[in-house]
Amino acid sequence: NAGVTQTPKFQVLKTGQSMTLQCAQDMNHEYMSWYRQDPGMGLRLIHYSVGAGITDQGEVPNGYNVSRSTTEDFPLRLLSAAPSQTSVYFCASSKSGVANSPLHFGNGTRLTVT
Amino acid sequence: GESVGLHLPTLSVQEGDNSIINCAYSNSASDYFIWYKQESGKGPQFIIDIRSNMDKRQGQRVTVLLNKTVKHLSLQIAATQPGDSAVYFCAENSQPRSGNTGKLIFGQGTTLQVKP
Repeated sequence: NAGVTQTPKFQVLKTGQSMTLQCAQDMNHEYMSWYRQDPGMGLRLIHYSVGAGITDQGEVPNGYNVSRSTTEDFPLRLLSAAPSQTSVYFCASSKSGVANSPLHFGNGTRLTVT
Repeated sequence: GESVGLHLPTLSVQEGDNSIINCAYSNSASDYFIWYKQESGKGPQFIIDIRSNMDKRQGQRVTVLLNKTVKHLSLQIAATQPGDSAVYFCAENSQPRSGNTGKLIFGQGTTLQVKP
């Protein structure tokens, strides 16, 4: 199994541009989520999904959209990039939510917005 | 609000010594806790987890202790090796009894430095 795969690894955007961060997992996990990691702020939850067709907001959802059309994929869309969205983004999945099973993380996308 | 915190931002130990990384959590209702290790340029890697109905759980060279009375979690690493150098995060499920949802909240992290 490849686990959780994120693309791209690095991205530079100009303010106002949009883009989609891709995330795919091959473990047949129901639960998927997106976190951002900033210095001194730890990991903060953006959006999560408990299964195909179901998404919900985390701690810091503003400026981001998600959809879950398949079990495997959970893309994160930045609608109009802002410098405050400069961060490292991690996608993670777990078998059945975080009440009982640990999250498995991808290796991240490092995003810079100028 | 809910928060998970670690006591020390940096811990420096000698190779071969035991390491203890501490974490305080604020939600007394949290029922599931996880320790992660993050190496530079990589995503967090699962180390060990523990449910609130347990006080201690052991893995390979690692032990997690949970003290619900004082809302304290610790990670013990035996015979610390240079490969253990990383940032360690504790995390708690901040929505217990939420079925298959839940929200994992992370602490700020402790950097473990292993001196040869």
